Amino acid sequence: GAVVSQHPSRVICKSGTSVKIECRSLDFQATTMFWYRQFPKQSLMLMATSNEGSKATYEQGVEKDKFLINHASLTLSTLTVTSAHPEDSSFYICSGSSGSSYNEQFFGPGTRLTVL
Amino acid sequence: GNSVTQMEGPVTLSEEAFLTINCTYTATGYPSLFWYVQYPGEGLQLLLKATKADDKGSNKGFEATYRKETTSFHLEKGSVQVSDSAVYFCALSDPVGNEKLTFGTGTRLTIIP
Repeated sequence: GAVVSQHPSRVICKSGTSVKIECRSLDFQATTMFWYRQFPKQSLMLMATSNEGSKATYEQGVEKDKFLINHASLTLSTLTVTSAHPEDSSFYICSGSSGSSYNEQFFGPGTRLTVL
Repeated sequence: GNSVTQMEGPVTLSEEAFLTINCTYTATGYPSLFWYVQYPGEGLQLLLKATKADDKGSNKGFEATYRKETTSFHLEKGSVQVSDSAVYFCALSDPVGNEKLTFGTGTRLTIIP
């Protein structure tokens, strides 16, 4: 299957700082990328959907000014958590879809964010 | 709205045992159904899928049948191996034109030799 990478895999930051997480599709062009958040022992919750070159569509309850998403190319999307607080600590997962296989998304390994 | 309910874990089985992980869903339309697997330290991988009622998805010895009448998509395997130890997620996608996935909570499976 297609490969998606995320960087960093783990990050620890101080409260009030911003953190950027990168998501790259390594061997396909991801026309659509998705960002999820996963709390311990809970399901993946979709945060936003982004199409290359256009603004992201955020799910209800997700603050777009806090979770900045950029999808500048067909192989790269970034999620920036601005002014992070301890409650933002979570596991963030991205996925990409090329649109060529019906509804199939390829997932990155996730990024563990810890805000002190 | 859409929702997926799957069997809570963790599930621990002996090697060669029969596996069933239950999954039921609620959807307004006719969704596609998926099972994803997450091995330790890796991203989610699509295990199998079914796009319409009565379809059977299968891969690596795992099977699941799309049952519209019971709104279920239970995952089964006849003889599990240690290498099947992972977290399994049931998911559905909105109907045509929308790729959003709704996930269940995941079931952690551990196979002991």
